[in-house]
Amino acid sequence: AQKVTQAQTEISVVEKEDVTLDCVYETRDTTYYLFWYKQPPSGELVFLIRRNSFDEQNEISGRYSWNFQKSTSSFNFTITASQVVDSAVYFCALGNFNKFYFGSGTKLNVKP
Amino acid sequence: DAGITQSPRHKVTETGTPVTLRCHQTENHRYMYWYRQDPGHGLRLIHYSYGVKDTDKGEVSDGYSVSRSKTEDFLLTLESATSSQTSVYFCAISEPIQGHTEAFFGQGTRLTVV
Repeated sequence: AQKVTQAQTEISVVEKEDVTLDCVYETRDTTYYLFWYKQPPSGELVFLIRRNSFDEQNEISGRYSWNFQKSTSSFNFTITASQVVDSAVYFCALGNFNKFYFGSGTKLNVKP
Repeated sequence: DAGITQSPRHKVTETGTPVTLRCHQTENHRYMYWYRQDPGHGLRLIHYSYGVKDTDKGEVSDGYSVSRSKTEDFLLTLESATSSQTSVYFCAISEPIQGHTEAFFGQGTRLTVV
């Protein structure tokens, strides 16, 4: 069975704090993909990153970084020096070639 | 931005009436999906399509049907709407062969069944 767990329902931080969003996944597939999406208050779903199961290199993009660890089936997302514009619901997802499974999302509130 | 258009964007309908939501893409992607988003559940897959006239069920398909007669259009039909189908519906597309293993989403349709 495919499953994604985002245990943090809601997180509140003050601007400029670092914050990590946790994602744990379950799959029996050997080839799979992991994703993060952002859903701002306006409601659209914005693709942030994709990682395939053979690439455990961490990735950094500006203030965003992602840590993929197969040993713990985790794909965590860190925002450094958070900003008010980072306030959104963030979804972690697991996919193969034809289906995507989403976690329940983590709502991030960044207060000025 | 991926060319995905959902219509209508908002709809209020009465219990027991049929409702059809439309998803139109201009990317020529093979895979299309319908998800629903509800508080505490994230996005759950209703149905998906892997080509014209090729569709399959997702995890919450009861009460929904789909059709895909053209590559660019994927229709979701609620045969007889119920209040439990009040939700935000998202269409998504992907094309693994082109390396687009990620899904790109439309802007969503907010459906209220009263």
